[in-house]
Amino acid sequence: GAVVSQHPSWVICKSGTSVKIECRSLDFQATTMFWYRQFPKQSLMLMATSNEGSKATYEQGVEKDKFLINHASLTLSTLTVTSAHPEDSSFYICSAREGRAFGPLHFGNGTRLTVT
Amino acid sequence: SQQGEEDPQALSIQEGENATMNCSYKTSINNLQWYRQNSGRGLVHLILIRSNEREKHSGRLRVTLDTSKKSSSLLITASRAADTASYFCATDARQGAQKLVFGQGTRLTINP
Repeated sequence: GAVVSQHPSWVICKSGTSVKIECRSLDFQATTMFWYRQFPKQSLMLMATSNEGSKATYEQGVEKDKFLINHASLTLSTLTVTSAHPEDSSFYICSAREGRAFGPLHFGNGTRLTVT
Repeated sequence: SQQGEEDPQALSIQEGENATMNCSYKTSINNLQWYRQNSGRGLVHLILIRSNEREKHSGRLRVTLDTSKKSSSLLITASRAADTASYFCATDARQGAQKLVFGQGTRLTINP
């Protein structure tokens, strides 16, 4: 149980275009989802917290107009990287929490974004 | 800034040996969690230890928590090649949002 599906697993796009990444909780309802970014051999950097039906809460330094997050249902959150640039190339990972507020997170398998 | 700091950054041992990783954090917490990440994949939750617990076991995993020193350790006994991965500790701040902040991680390599 508690499976999180993230799609696509990898994407290559041209500079200036936008890319949408989907994160779905398959067998549970996720009122809160988190989006992380990870550079090679580094830790996860929290980008934003996404709550169903409300605006996402962005971490300091993360541009909300560039990284658009939508959490329209209890099972789906999307991250759109707008006007992508090569420096946005990274590994993006979503996660969702099932149940109690401070319980474990269930992670998607990540999306490798390469901007050319 | 990252809440957790882990050491060592990298650890390479022989199969069958035990592996110990340490994590330190800065603020008061509700709980501390350990996750594993295989290369290029998402993270998998391993174990959660509450702030009022001192030790917890799950199979070959043993986690300790010392809130007075703000530190935790993860011990993997009788390591296997399949244990090769990066291991991260994660903490949530006792106050405020329910977000998890991850440490820098330990890259563990088990040599056959």
